[in-house]
Amino acid sequence: KAGVTQTPRYLIKTRGQQVTLSCSPISGHRSVSWYQQTPGQGLQFLFEYFSETQRNKGNFPGRFSGRQFSNSRSEMNVSTLELGDSALYLCASSLESAFRHGYTFGSGTRLTVV
Amino acid sequence: TQLLEQSPQFLSIQEGENLTVYCNSSSVFSSLQWYRQEPGEGPVLLVTVVTGGEVKKLKRLTFQFGDARKDSSLHITAAQPGDTGLYLCAGEAGYSTLTFGKGTMLLVSP
Repeated sequence: KAGVTQTPRYLIKTRGQQVTLSCSPISGHRSVSWYQQTPGQGLQFLFEYFSETQRNKGNFPGRFSGRQFSNSRSEMNVSTLELGDSALYLCASSLESAFRHGYTFGSGTRLTVV
Repeated sequence: TQLLEQSPQFLSIQEGENLTVYCNSSSVFSSLQWYRQEPGEGPVLLVTVVTGGEVKKLKRLTFQFGDARKDSSLHITAAQPGDTGLYLCAGEAGYSTLTFGKGTMLLVSP
């Protein structure tokens, strides 16, 4: 079966712009989580959506937002980009709970802010 | 906030050597998961350990969950270049999310 698909794979944006990243989870998976990965901080949790509702949120500023559609596809948006937002953004889907079922990750979107 | 500390941060060994990486916390976890991430890809789930003292084997990889469920270890026997990658441990941070350690970067040279 198809894995988790993230688009685009690479993105270069200018400081102050906004960006939207997309994630298509594994068919049947209702939970979609987003993580930011940087060399210094590792994987940091952004937010999790389950059945179109945000179920959990990490400690990121309001510039980071997301949503989930009825088909479980998810998007995350970052507004007013800063240089420090340069990172690998990973989407992970789970059947219902990462704790019980584990995550299946996509390959990520590499965002570079210049 | 439950923190997971992984050690060592970086490990460079020759093919055929054995190694152990560690994942420690001051908090008790109901379960821990181990992932491996290769360059340019997302992490891939290797195993979930649930019971204190549990040992799971996956070919040359042996995972152990500490008796007090605060720590875990990953032992690789006769490492191969294909084992190269970032090894991450993760524990629950609420019902449906995980918190990750910063990982151990393993480089196995031929």
